[in-house]
Amino acid sequence: KAGVTQTPRYLIKTRGQQVTLSCSPISGHRSVSWYQQTPGQGLQFLFEYFSETQRNKGNFPGRFSGRQFSNSRSEMNVSTLELGDSALYLCASSLSRGQTEAFFGQGTRLTVV
Amino acid sequence: GDSVTQMEGPVTLSEEAFLTINCTYTATGYPSLFWYVQYPGEGLQLLLKATKADDKGSNKGFEATYRKETTSFHLEKGSVQVSDSAVYFCALSERGNTPLVFGKGTRLSVIA
Repeated sequence: KAGVTQTPRYLIKTRGQQVTLSCSPISGHRSVSWYQQTPGQGLQFLFEYFSETQRNKGNFPGRFSGRQFSNSRSEMNVSTLELGDSALYLCASSLSRGQTEAFFGQGTRLTVV
Repeated sequence: GDSVTQMEGPVTLSEEAFLTINCTYTATGYPSLFWYVQYPGEGLQLLLKATKADDKGSNKGFEATYRKETTSFHLEKGSVQVSDSAVYFCALSERGNTPLVFGKGTRLSVIA
């Protein structure tokens, strides 16, 4: 079956703009989590969605937001982009909450110039 | 809070050499432990996992044993191949609905 699909794969934005990233989880998976990966900070948890509700949130400013739709697809939005937001954004899906196995997408590489 | 510490890389080995990547953790509860691998330009793939003390996870020749007494989950492989070149991440997840906590990653380069 198809894996986790993230779109777009690459994105270049200018400071101050906003961006929306998309994640389609594995069919039947209902939990979607987002992570930011940078060389300096490594992998950091952004938020988790389950049944269209945010269940967990990491330590990121309010410029980072997300949502989940009834088909479990998820989007994350970053407003007022800063240079430091340049990163690989990874989405992970799980069958349900509390599952020990998460499947990751290939990520969206965001570059802010 | 919870944390994972991995040995600093990069690690460079010759083909067929023995690999050990050290991982220790700090957790308030009784976590599940994971090793993920990231190949160039790709996302993370689950390599192996262990959910309780003394469990051994294994996959593709890689092994790691959950050692509660030393709070460790070291990754080992007896004979590495060039195709094993990647970044390896140790991670934990506490019981319940908590997110994964990752180590910084260890870059492995295997040369022929």
